[in-house]
Amino acid sequence: GENVEQHPSTLSVQEGDSAVIKCTYSDSASNYFPWYKQELGKRPQLIIDIRSNVGEKKDQRIAVTLNKTAKHFSLHITETQPEDSAVYFCAASIRTGGGADGLTFGKGTHLIIQP
Amino acid sequence: DGGITQSPKYLFRKEGQNVTLSCEQNLNHDAMYWYRQDPGQGLRLIYYSQIVNDFQKGDIAEGYSVSREKKESFPLTVTSAQKNPTAFYLCASSIQVSGELFFGEGSRLTVL
Repeated sequence: GENVEQHPSTLSVQEGDSAVIKCTYSDSASNYFPWYKQELGKRPQLIIDIRSNVGEKKDQRIAVTLNKTAKHFSLHITETQPEDSAVYFCAASIRTGGGADGLTFGKGTHLIIQP
Repeated sequence: DGGITQSPKYLFRKEGQNVTLSCEQNLNHDAMYWYRQDPGQGLRLIYYSQIVNDFQKGDIAEGYSVSREKKESFPLTVTSAQKNPTAFYLCASSIQVSGELFFGEGSRLTVL
């Protein structure tokens, strides 16, 4: 089955700096890559996703890049703010259309924004 | 106020007892899911259902059971056969299987 590796497990950055979280996947058939953010004590929420037919997607301060050849994708957060502190999960789906039943999650990255 | 409601939020049980976690959604979503979250382990799929009266095993279904008698409801039973039931359980739903997951606030089960 699919295996998703996520690094680092903990990332501490100064407020205003950029943060990058990286994930690799094993199954070349994976075609949908969402990122979920889970603030302390709250539910995970989708923040951005990308499908295999594009290489990059941006939404304000966050962006995701995908390298299908190398089978890795990354989350980039610029101008980090205190509210960016959370656990971030990447995921990959092997289902046609990106079915959630085929989602495999990474183990998460705890992002800490230092004031 | 639309969303997914899980109950109870915290649950303590003795070893050997079955427990049922409730999940209700009023989003009119077809698909519903149960995930288990352990520290440093990400989210692992237990069961999912794409339609009423139908459900499928996920990656870690052993020791769990579900039912989907109504579109709005997808309860999870943690049976005594689950060897390590202490965990945080998240219910989610999506419009279709390929859609964005909307999560509930979770239920933390502790087996004493």
